[in-house]
Amino acid sequence: QQQVKQSPQSLIVQKGGISIINCAYENTAFDYFPWYQQFPGKGPALLIAIRPDVSEKKEGRFTISFNKSAKQFSLHIMDSQPGDSATYFCAASTETSGSRLTFGEGTQLTVNP
Amino acid sequence: DADVTQTPRNRITKTGKRIMLECSQTKGHDRMYWYRQDPGLGLQLIYYSFDVKDINKGEISDGYSVSRQAQAKFSLSLESAIPNQTALYFCATSSLGAGSDEQFFGPGTRLTVL
Repeated sequence: QQQVKQSPQSLIVQKGGISIINCAYENTAFDYFPWYQQFPGKGPALLIAIRPDVSEKKEGRFTISFNKSAKQFSLHIMDSQPGDSATYFCAASTETSGSRLTFGEGTQLTVNP
Repeated sequence: DADVTQTPRNRITKTGKRIMLECSQTKGHDRMYWYRQDPGLGLQLIYYSFDVKDINKGEISDGYSVSRQAQAKFSLSLESAIPNQTALYFCATSSLGAGSDEQFFGPGTRLTVL
């Protein structure tokens, strides 16, 4: 049972375009929503994270949008670059689970030059 | 130098063999995790440990066991490997006192069970 559903599975974007990856969750107790970025041959690394007290968080070209009522959150990559080509995972956790994360299935992003 | 290291990085073994994957960290973190990654399934939690005397099962612990030998070391064992345990395995760490839930991942171990 996948508690965090991620889409699309793969995404191809042209350089300079906007990449959008979506996640939906079921557990209303989730209160921490990070995105991890993974390059080939490497472990995932935290990219950006949000808590449900805000609806949006921006760090450079990366923005998380959060919709608590819809139980959805998304990652937007503005001005996508070939160096952004990687696999992206959304995740979620609850305060009571400590830092146990439930991950989405992952999205393989390719940014063409 | 890497803060979270995993050995071996690649391993090919046969069905029925016992395998141990090792993880070490120099970050001083109290929490350690083992995940497996399969295409299209994301990362699934196998076991986690919040301190040396605390071991907990994750989502997919069947067929696996772990040992927390010290705060810095967390090993994953497959007592009798089977082909559907072929996957990429990651160790991760985090710190209760860091003010953040960020997990730091090792480089992974690619395991193939023939």
